Amino acid sequence: QVQLVQSGAEVKKPGASVKVSCKVSGYTLTELSMHWVRQAPGKGLEWMGGFDPEDGETIYAQKFQGRVTMTEDTSTDTAYMELSSLRSEDTAVYYCATAIAVPAFDIWGQGTMVTVSS
Amino acid sequence: EIVLTQSPGTLSLSPGERATLSCRASQSVSSSYLAWYQQKPGQAPRLLIYGASSRATGIPDRFSGSGSGTDFTLTISRLEPEDFAVYYCQQYGSSLMYTFGQGTKLEIK
Repeated sequence: QVQLVQSGAEVKKPGASVKVSCKVSGYTLTELSMHWVRQAPGKGLEWMGGFDPEDGETIYAQKFQGRVTMTEDTSTDTAYMELSSLRSEDTAVYYCATAIAVPAFDIWGQGTMVTVSS
Repeated sequence: EIVLTQSPGTLSLSPGERATLSCRASQSVSSSYLAWYQQKPGQAPRLLIYGASSRATGIPDRFSGSGSGTDFTLTISRLEPEDFAVYYCQQYGSSLMYTFGQGTKLEIK
């Protein structure tokens, strides 16, 4: 079955960038539309962006436009989310998620904790 | 952007009781694209309901979803101890924009 395995926790300083990976197994990345969702400590879920298979483009939530870049390496079936100009408010668990069998996120990665602190 | 408002913020009930969670949208949402998730501490969210009323694979039938337009409901018919968690509704619409509600915490009374 499909699995999403994310990279480990990161600690970054304000102003730096972070790149989180999400490796797919059980499917190839080209068969999926990968999305990224984050969750600040004690807060709710926040969609950051994802791949639109109809347009073949990545859509970003307005809040993150200009600061986030989502890419894919199909040779290794790995998706990446890079967030730049980090600030303390970006401290959160970052999840990759995808829809396999139904039109909703039925498969999630285990999450990657990103801490932004000076 | 469509805003989803969930109520109540916290729901205190006992095992065996019925839970009714609400999700209201700021504008009409296609029922095909309304989902509910359960999240326990330290875990990734788990899909419960998609298309407003269809249970995801492996979800017990005590979970049910209903609603249309701007008002949606998640019902848990008889609460089991493992059902106490945070629940989120989610929608996606045109241009593949997704939004989540702020969540309802279901706690043991």
